[in-house]
Amino acid sequence: SSELTQDPAVSVALGQTVRITCQGDSLRSYYASWYQQKPGQAPVLVIYGKNNRPSGIPDRFSGSSSGNTASLTITGAQAEDEADYYCNSRDSSGNHLGVFGGGTKLTVL
Amino acid sequence: QVQLQESGPGLVKPSQTLSLTCTVSGGSISSGGYYWSWIRQHPGKGLEWIGYIYYSGTTYYNPSLKSRVTISVDTSKNQFSLKLSSVTAADTAVYYCARGVIGPRGSYDYWGQGTLVTVSS
Repeated sequence: SSELTQDPAVSVALGQTVRITCQGDSLRSYYASWYQQKPGQAPVLVIYGKNNRPSGIPDRFSGSSSGNTASLTITGAQAEDEADYYCNSRDSSGNHLGVFGGGTKLTVL
Repeated sequence: QVQLQESGPGLVKPSQTLSLTCTVSGGSISSGGYYWSWIRQHPGKGLEWIGYIYYSGTTYYNPSLKSRVTISVDTSKNQFSLKLSSVTAADTAVYYCARGVIGPRGSYDYWGQGTLVTVSS
């Protein structure tokens, strides 16, 4: 079983704000990174570190963390944001980026 | 722009060894600062870390796969490879290679397109 727990599915109305969460003990000590995956495509990094976006990722994507929970927030969700989202962080040893959450399917209504 | 590309057979027979290669372009594997990684995704499922290798050859594997996995690197060809032995149908998945950034803000910043490997007789 995964050491990072995500809600299987979340929905948001077009233009509204949605938060996708990821829970795990390792998140008390280490940052999570977040990946967007659309059907038939490879995952794409959208958030890393405290709250960093790779070049080309819209600023409506942001990250935060509190205690054992990391969050990905999409402010003003667009139709193209409909995708699966995965969090990733270090395993319980803290040595390796070896744990992914089970993924959250985001539906934009 | 770094690019990664997986290559290898799309069909492997049960009990045989799955072998894939990832070719890196736009950057050198030997530059340091990165873990060169394999990640897989079973059909309709989530992501599973298989392991990674540093350019020096140091490897780290998922404990659940460790007994069957070997990851190697060929810096002269700017490639790294995955071997997974004694495969079963449960190893049918899309296999991705990815670049893992070392450090507190670690993440997988570049991914290959993925290659589907089916285990079937």
